[in-house]
Amino acid sequence: AQTVTQSQPEMSVQEAETVTLSCTYDTSENNYYLFWYKQPPSRQMILVIRQEAYKQQNATENRFSVNFQKAAKSFSLKISDSQLGDTAMYFCAFRGGNEKLTFGTGTRLTIIP
Amino acid sequence: NAGVTQTPKFQVLKTGQSMTLQCAQDMNHEYMSWYRQDPGMGLRLIHYSVGAGITDQGEVPNGYNVSRSTTEDFPLRLLSAAPSQTSVYFCASRAAGRYNEQFFGPGTRLTVL
Repeated sequence: AQTVTQSQPEMSVQEAETVTLSCTYDTSENNYYLFWYKQPPSRQMILVIRQEAYKQQNATENRFSVNFQKAAKSFSLKISDSQLGDTAMYFCAFRGGNEKLTFGTGTRLTIIP
Repeated sequence: NAGVTQTPKFQVLKTGQSMTLQCAQDMNHEYMSWYRQDPGMGLRLIHYSVGAGITDQGEVPNGYNVSRSTTEDFPLRLLSAAPSQTSVYFCASRAAGRYNEQFFGPGTRLTVL
C-alpha cells in the first residue's frame, strides 16, 4: 500500500516570505499523480496544485509551485509571497493505479502578519 | 451547480444509535468517496464507488455501510454508532481519470456520546 508522509506537523512564516512544505511518499508504481490540498478554518478542502509523475516539469499555479523529485519520492510545495489567506492545513495526497487518494497527516501553516 | 452537498452539517448521537449521512453531487461524476478526518491522521478512506451499483471498501470500513443506487447520491450509514466514530466526515466526487480533481463536500461533524 502507498504511504504519504508529511514530517512537519506545524510551520509558521512571516507574511510575504516564502515557505516550503515537505512531502514524501512510498510506492512501487511508475505512473501516478500527486496533489496538494488546502483546508482553511472553514474546513472546505481546496485543490492547490497537482503533478503527473511522468512529467518532469514541476507544476506551478500562481504563487504555488512544487519541487517533484521522482527518484527521491519527494513532492514539496513552495508558497511564494505568502499571504494571510494562506493560513490553513495543507495535505499532500497520492493517487496510483488503484484510483484511491491517499493523504498525508497534514501540515498546519500559519502566516504571521 | 451546487457541487457536492452533505447533510447534516452537525450531528450528535448516542452510542448504539444508527443514522445516515447524506451526500449528493450534480456534476455527473462517476467516482464518489467517503472519508473521515481525525486530528493528526489526515483523511482516511471509508468506502468508495466507481459508478451506480458498484461500491468497495477503503482503509477504515468497519461500522459503516454504503450503497449507490444513482449516480448522484452516495449515503453513508452508521449501523450502531460508537464513540470511536466521532469524527468529521467528508464526501467527495470526481470524474473518471486519475488526474481529475476530487471535489469535496463541506463535511459533517459527528459526535457520538
